[in-house]
Amino acid sequence: QVKLLQSGAELVKPGASVKLSCKTSGFTFSTSYMSWLKQVPGPSIEWIGWIYAGDGGTNYNQKFKGKATLTVDKSSSTAYMDLSSLTSEDAAVYFCARGRVLDYWGQGVMVTVSS
Amino acid sequence: DVVMTQTPVSLSVAIGQPASISCKSSQSLVGTSGKTYLNWLLQRPGQSPKRLIYLVSKLDSGIPDRFSGSGSETDFTLKISRVEADDLGVYYCLQGTHFPLTFGSGTKLEIK
Repeated sequence: QVKLLQSGAELVKPGASVKLSCKTSGFTFSTSYMSWLKQVPGPSIEWIGWIYAGDGGTNYNQKFKGKATLTVDKSSSTAYMDLSSLTSEDAAVYFCARGRVLDYWGQGVMVTVSS
Repeated sequence: DVVMTQTPVSLSVAIGQPASISCKSSQSLVGTSGKTYLNWLLQRPGQSPKRLIYLVSKLDSGIPDRFSGSGSETDFTLKISRVEADDLGVYYCLQGTHFPLTFGSGTKLEIK
């Protein structure tokens, strides 16, 4: 079955960067899109962008350009998201989800920004 | 960006009773393909969101037919014919027609 397993919680200092991972199984990763999303208490969910694993092509929400960078490793069926220059505004739970239709989601990873 | 307005913000429903959630978009969700990319998701407490319905009214695999979706253009509705205890959580509508994808602010379903 389809599984998306995200890396563990992160505590990062302001100004630092963090790389989140999403290891997948149960479907053909190399021809799939992977999306990333941000959820802050409220609750509200924002779509960050997606990446096509086949050629690495990306489509970002304008709001997250310069903040998030999406990459993939086809050999391990893993999607990654780099978040740079972290501030308190970036503290949130981040999810990966399959495709452009978000039919399967990872369990989420909490990112805390604190010195 | 397309604004998705969900109502009510919360609702309390007794087991076995129906529930209905509305989602209105700030512009038509009919895409150039003629398809309407409107989804409904449920986020149970402490869990990640789970998709229930896609393309307005198509149930995902394993989703009971107590759930139904309807609507067109800018007005959409999720209905639960008979609420069960497992239905509690926050329901979100999501539009995938226009970039960026946008979510409603959620409707919290509580069991009365």
